[in-house]
Amino acid sequence: AQTVTQSQPEMSVQEAETVTLSCTYDTSESNYYLFWYKQPPSRQMILVIRQEAYKQQNATENRFSVNFQKAAKSFSLKISDSQLGDTAMYFCAFILNNNDMRFGAGTRLTVKP
Amino acid sequence: DAGVIQSPRHEVTEMGQEVTLRCKPISGHNSLFWYRQTMMRGLELLIYFNNNVPIDDSGMPEDRFSAKMPNASFSTLKIQPSEPRDSAVYFCASTRRFNTEAFFGQGTRLTVV
Repeated sequence: AQTVTQSQPEMSVQEAETVTLSCTYDTSESNYYLFWYKQPPSRQMILVIRQEAYKQQNATENRFSVNFQKAAKSFSLKISDSQLGDTAMYFCAFILNNNDMRFGAGTRLTVKP
Repeated sequence: DAGVIQSPRHEVTEMGQEVTLRCKPISGHNSLFWYRQTMMRGLELLIYFNNNVPIDDSGMPEDRFSAKMPNASFSTLKIQPSEPRDSAVYFCASTRRFNTEAFFGQGTRLTVV
């Protein structure tokens, strides 16, 4: 079965601090992409960061970076210098080369001033 | 491009009524997904299409749910008859290829009373 597990339903962090959101996944495929999406209260889904399974180097986008451990099927998101605008639901996802795309249950992140 | 367009944004209906949700994907995108978002389960994949062909509908909860994609620019998700437990936000998303970002519509908030 293709599954994504986010074990932290809710997290909070102080403004300017660093927080890490966890994600594990299960697939028997070898070729896939991993994503983190952000969903603010507006319900819009916004791509935060993308990682190709074949690349060992961890992806980075400004304050957002990932720790990709392929053997462990782990894909955590680190947010540095947290800002109030980072408050949102965060979804981890993968997509296979047949376009099967699965999401986790989400982590609700609150950044406190 | 206007992005993925879903209608209606909100739907309130009585139990037993038929509900039809509509989606127009981004032009040129080959895959279309229907997801259901709830607090408990996060984003559940209901069904996805590649080139207008349904590939995996194993996520459709019951026979009351059906989806069609008659052409590359339109898809529907129908619930007949609707039940209160179907209340959720339903998202449509589309993507060009598996290694590119999936774009989401604004979602339809369905309330069945």
